[in-house]
Amino acid sequence: KAGVTQTPRYLIKTRGQQVTLSCSPISGHRSVSWYQQTPGQGLQFLFEYFSETQRNKGNFPGRFSGRQFSNSRSEMNVSTLELGDSALYLCASSGGRTNEKLFFGSGTQLSVL
Amino acid sequence: QKEVEQNSGPLSVPEGAIASLNCTYSDRGSQSFFWYRQYSGKSPELIMFIYSNGDKEDGRFTAQLNKASQYVSLLIRDSQPSDSATYLCAVKYGGGSTLGRLYFGRGTQLTVWP
Repeated sequence: KAGVTQTPRYLIKTRGQQVTLSCSPISGHRSVSWYQQTPGQGLQFLFEYFSETQRNKGNFPGRFSGRQFSNSRSEMNVSTLELGDSALYLCASSGGRTNEKLFFGSGTQLSVL
Repeated sequence: QKEVEQNSGPLSVPEGAIASLNCTYSDRGSQSFFWYRQYSGKSPELIMFIYSNGDKEDGRFTAQLNKASQYVSLLIRDSQPSDSATYLCAVKYGGGSTLGRLYFGRGTQLTVWP
């Protein structure tokens, strides 16, 4: 069974640009969550989607947004990038018989210059 | 404010020893507790989870919960160099059919030397 797939693996952007990250969950998983990981703050929850609906949202500015499609694939978007947005963005999926387990993708390493 | 605190370490133990990792949480409403392992440059991998009703043992790993003191511990017996990684404690508050939102500690870096 394929794991959680995130694309792209690396991104370099400049301040003010916007970026879209993609996540394909494990087949059959309907919940997708996004986390930001930085050395200083650790793992911070961004948002969670289930059946195309946002179920939870963390304490991030409105520049961070996301969506989920009918096939459970998810995208997150960050507009007007700031230097502080440089981080590893991790997507995780859960569902089915492994409902209590979050499976993480390899992440997208975003660098904002 | 829901917080999860971990000693950042580093924790260094010799091969074959018991490594003990601890985590405290702030909200008594916590329901599920998770330990993730993250190797350098890799994503977190779930190694143990327990509910608020008991401890759990899985191979060399034991997760224990002390609800009165609000801390969770992970014991790794017969530590191996391959156990060298950052261990993240995570807590889920509240119910619901989906998992999604976990509160993570900043992790404890463990080094097992041969």
